[in-house]
Amino acid sequence: SAVISQKPSRDICQRGTSLTIQCQVDSQVTMMFWYRQQPGQSLTLIATANQGSEATYESGFVIDKFPISRPNLTFSTLTVSNMSPEDSSIYLCSVQNGDTQYFGPGTRLTVL
Amino acid sequence: QQPVQSPQAVILREGEDAVINCSSSKALYSVHWYRQKHGEAPVFLMILLKGGEQKGHEKISASFNEKKQQSSLYLTASQLSYSGTYFCGTDLFGGTASKLTFGTGTRLQVTL
Repeated sequence: SAVISQKPSRDICQRGTSLTIQCQVDSQVTMMFWYRQQPGQSLTLIATANQGSEATYESGFVIDKFPISRPNLTFSTLTVSNMSPEDSSIYLCSVQNGDTQYFGPGTRLTVL
Repeated sequence: QQPVQSPQAVILREGEDAVINCSSSKALYSVHWYRQKHGEAPVFLMILLKGGEQKGHEKISASFNEKKQQSSLYLTASQLSYSGTYFCGTDLFGGTASKLTFGTGTRLQVTL
């Protein structure tokens, strides 16, 4: 398995601002994923971030709202732009190791 | 389309057994099972690849019926530590095209 850390662990932000979430892995991985988990709900895939290529977004998620960077094989960032209260969620990154995905601890975001 | 899990919630006494089901409308490459405790990241339990192989460790096991596009998670002689929300994650393709779609979730509470 991989050890994954995320920063910040939580944040409270004002409407209209942006927040960048960092995800760091202790080993090199090709595939990284960003998920959103709204309160009491399941996990929803936002995008797949592979090093060396543009992120691939799922239906309902766009690059202008959730820009992603993947500068190397151990790091990625997700930005939540122009936030509204509906963006209040837990954001999780995960990495693929073989056939298995492992999750970071998540970033709990509250937008006022 | 999101896999459907049943039951939505279950309460057990310590030592009782439970079965959680996951049904997909699409043919699957693999099914992944996770447990998430409140305020924590999902923790990987096991993966089942197409071929109908049943897997397990200790008192938690799972099966995958490829033809029915269903998987079941079996919890025997439940312990207090089993409490949490269980999610199945389905993967249609595997390999470099791998991505998980998570089910609706099953909330399990084990009591004394």
